[in-house]
Amino acid sequence: SAVISQKPSRDICQRGTSLTIQCQVDSQVTMMFWYRQQPGQSLTLIATANQGSEATYESGFVIDKFPISRPNLTFSTLTVSNMSPEDSSIYLCSVEEQMSGNTIYFGEGSWLTVV
Amino acid sequence: QQQVKQSPQSLIVQKGGISIINCAYENTAFDYFPWYQQFPGKGPALLIAIRPDVSEKKEGRFTISFNKSAKQFSLHIMDSQPGDSATYFCAASGNNNDMRFGAGTRLTVKP
Repeated sequence: SAVISQKPSRDICQRGTSLTIQCQVDSQVTMMFWYRQQPGQSLTLIATANQGSEATYESGFVIDKFPISRPNLTFSTLTVSNMSPEDSSIYLCSVEEQMSGNTIYFGEGSWLTVV
Repeated sequence: QQQVKQSPQSLIVQKGGISIINCAYENTAFDYFPWYQQFPGKGPALLIAIRPDVSEKKEGRFTISFNKSAKQFSLHIMDSQPGDSATYFCAASGNNNDMRFGAGTRLTVKP
């Protein structure tokens, strides 16, 4: 299965600042996604990271708040902008691996606490 | 986004018992139904998955039952162990591959 590395794994951030999360995959993948998991909650899709074009955002998520980059088939970043305590969540990168029948795998997540 | 309904919210089972978690979906375009297991402090890990062309899939102690006409699927954990204590999420995805998750079930297996 694809090995997904996320950085940072955990961070405490000041209100009003921005943080960029990196996602690196050990193989080329077509589809990469970013999810948010608020404490004790389920996973919510933020956006699909498209290689070479703008990300596709889900309802309730906007590019100004969550800009995403996807420069190649193995790497993506998610920025959480102008953070507030409500942004305290786990942010998860996921990829679709076609070699294993389009299975979707997740990274370990980036745990952000905004104070 | 909640297109997948999962129950129960929490489940307590004795060691050796059977744990059953149920999910229902709305979108008939969904064609991939995985279950993820998540331990505290970890990302979700794929446990088992099924496609609509079969009604049941078994991997070790874990079985998915799928009812296409009812738009329901369930996870059965046989001989539940304390190490199975975790949160379980069902999910569904379709052609565009964006996955929708259930609300999660917190399973506790008592020794």
